[in-house]
Amino acid sequence: GAVVSQHPSRVICKSGTSVKIECRSLDFQATTMFWYRQFPKQSLMLMATSNEGSKATYEQGVEKDKFLINHASLTLSTLTVTSAHPEDSSFYICSASREAGPSFQETQYFGPGTRLLVL
Amino acid sequence: AQKVTQAQTEISVVEKEDVTLDCVYETRDTTYYLFWYKQPPSGELVFLIRRNSFDEQNEISGRYSWNFQKSTSSFNFTITASQVVDSAVYFCALSATSGTYKYIFGTGTRLKVLA
Repeated sequence: GAVVSQHPSRVICKSGTSVKIECRSLDFQATTMFWYRQFPKQSLMLMATSNEGSKATYEQGVEKDKFLINHASLTLSTLTVTSAHPEDSSFYICSASREAGPSFQETQYFGPGTRLLVL
Repeated sequence: AQKVTQAQTEISVVEKEDVTLDCVYETRDTTYYLFWYKQPPSGELVFLIRRNSFDEQNEISGRYSWNFQKSTSSFNFTITASQVVDSAVYFCALSATSGTYKYIFGTGTRLKVLA
């Protein structure tokens, strides 16, 4: 169990267009989903945390109007990169965790990632 | 402040050798979790292990073993009899209560297992 999918796996777009990336938990309900960005040969950088039915919490320095996050259901979160530019090219990874217990944090299960190339 | 340090940027070993990946963490919380993930060239992070701060028992899973020592704030990962398929980037992560359960990732260790 605990499978997370992402779609698309790879996308190439022109500068100025918007790109939507979907993250789905396939066999569990995800109260919380996380969006990360990873540059080549670097670690993961948390962009935002989204909770089902509420607004996402963005990390410092991440433009919320640039990276729109919607967590409309317990199995789906979307990240939309608006007016993409070449500097937005990166590997975007989502993760999901089951509803946390009384005081413990569940493991994050990661999707396969989406490689975005903006020309 | 919370921090995870993986001092080994890249390690190369020959197949069948044992290799240990180091992870040192910093946190003031008494309740926290430590994780190891594997990221093969395909990019997907694969969950390997989760350990809470109250459980210092070492764990073995097949060729993988983990050594958690609170006294040295370390959570090291050993692969016994390494195989080419073990080649990947390995990340250690910390999740603590004061960090609202966000993961603090280390910078990763790239392991290359040569045939």
